[in-house]
Parts: sequence; structure tokens; C-alpha cells
Amino acid sequence: GQNIDQPTEMTATEGAIVQINCTYQTSGFNGLFWYQQHAGEAPTFLSYNVLDGLEEKGRFSSFLSRSKGYSYLLLKELQMKDSASYLCAVLDSNYQLIWGAGTKLIIKP
Amino acid sequence: GAVVSQHPSWVICKSGTSVKIECRSLDFQATTMFWYRQFPKQSLMLMATSNEGSKATYEQGVEKDKFLINHASLTLSTLTVTSAHPEDSSFYICSARDPAGGDNQPQHFGDGTRLSIL
Repeated sequence: GQNIDQPTEMTATEGAIVQINCTYQTSGFNGLFWYQQHAGEAPTFLSYNVLDGLEEKGRFSSFLSRSKGYSYLLLKELQMKDSASYLCAVLDSNYQLIWGAGTKLIIKP
Repeated sequence: GAVVSQHPSWVICKSGTSVKIECRSLDFQATTMFWYRQFPKQSLMLMATSNEGSKATYEQGVEKDKFLINHASLTLSTLTVTSAHPEDSSFYICSARDPAGGDNQPQHFGDGTRLSIL
């Protein structure tokens, strides 16, 4: 079966750095997405990785290792507004998007 | 960037009412749109894939006669929850992918519809 694992919840301090991990086992791979979802709102697109390595976009970076079936989202200089759920999703060989359950990130002052 | 509009944002109605939710792609043509449901503190669950000009593809366990999907144009898909009951109360979200650039484009989401059945 297809499976995506990410931690259920993480806590971090304002101004710090946090890394949210995602491991996946899917039938084929056509890329990995990270989305941010604030409580009561729809998800918004953050990043897309299809090749190994690090993609940096401002305070957010996303890393992919296809051989390890592993990705992480790195958030720097955390702000209170970063409190949200972060969803990892993988595009499989049929271009179907397989979603992880999401990681709820709590930022404390 | 790709924009998806969803309407209405909130619906509160009596049990037995049918509710229609609209999803529009505003600046691109979407041959495929996706309908999700999310219960409080739970993950996104794909209900069905809406295909322009043909029947929707429903996920296992989703009743197609209960959740009617119509994708009559390249910019509009509708989800109708027929004879809604309190257990259908949920957050319904649509998404679409701009086909320009290939199948690996990200899905962009509407703002969601919060449905409450009394």
C-alpha cells in the first residue's frame, strides 16, 4: 500500500528553527509537495521537490532524498503566524496525490 | 498564479436539505478538479475527482448518489450533498491543477465550505 508518515505534532519557540520530516512509500514518484493549512482554512501551496536536494524559498526550505523516501520542511526565524498544520503529499506514478495526515506546529513565545 | 474560488463559505441548513457547492478556476481551465472533506482535527480526505465532460471518479466508501458531482465546463465543478444529515457536517474543500506545464503542477485550493446540518 501507499503510506506517508509525518509527526502528528511539534512545538517550537518563536525565532527558532524547526524541521518537519516526512517519509513515504508510494507506487512511483513524480514529486513531493508541502502545504500549509491554518486552522479552519484551506491548504496553501508551499513547495515542490522532484529532484534530490534543497529548495530554498525565503524562510522556508524543503529537502528531498528519493533514495531514502524522505523529505523535510525547514522553517527558520519562526513567527507566531507559522502556527499551522503542514501537509506532505506525494504524486505517485499515476499522478495521484497521496496525502500525509499533517503535522500540527505549535509556536510558543 | 492559479486561483480557485469556492462558494458558499458557510452553509447552515436543516436536515434533509440538499446543498450545492460551486468550485471555479478563475484564471485557468481545469479539466480535472478535486473534492475533499475534512472533519475537525483530521486529515484531508479525497472524496472524488471531477472530470470535465465525463463522470466523476469516487473514492472507496463515498456514495456517488449522495454526493453528486457535475463538471459541465472547464472552469466550474459543483458538488451537491443530497438530503444532508448532521453526520454530513464537515469542511468541504475543492482544488484544481492548472494543466499548463504538466501533471506535476500543484493543486490550488478554494477557501472551503463549512457545512453545518441541524
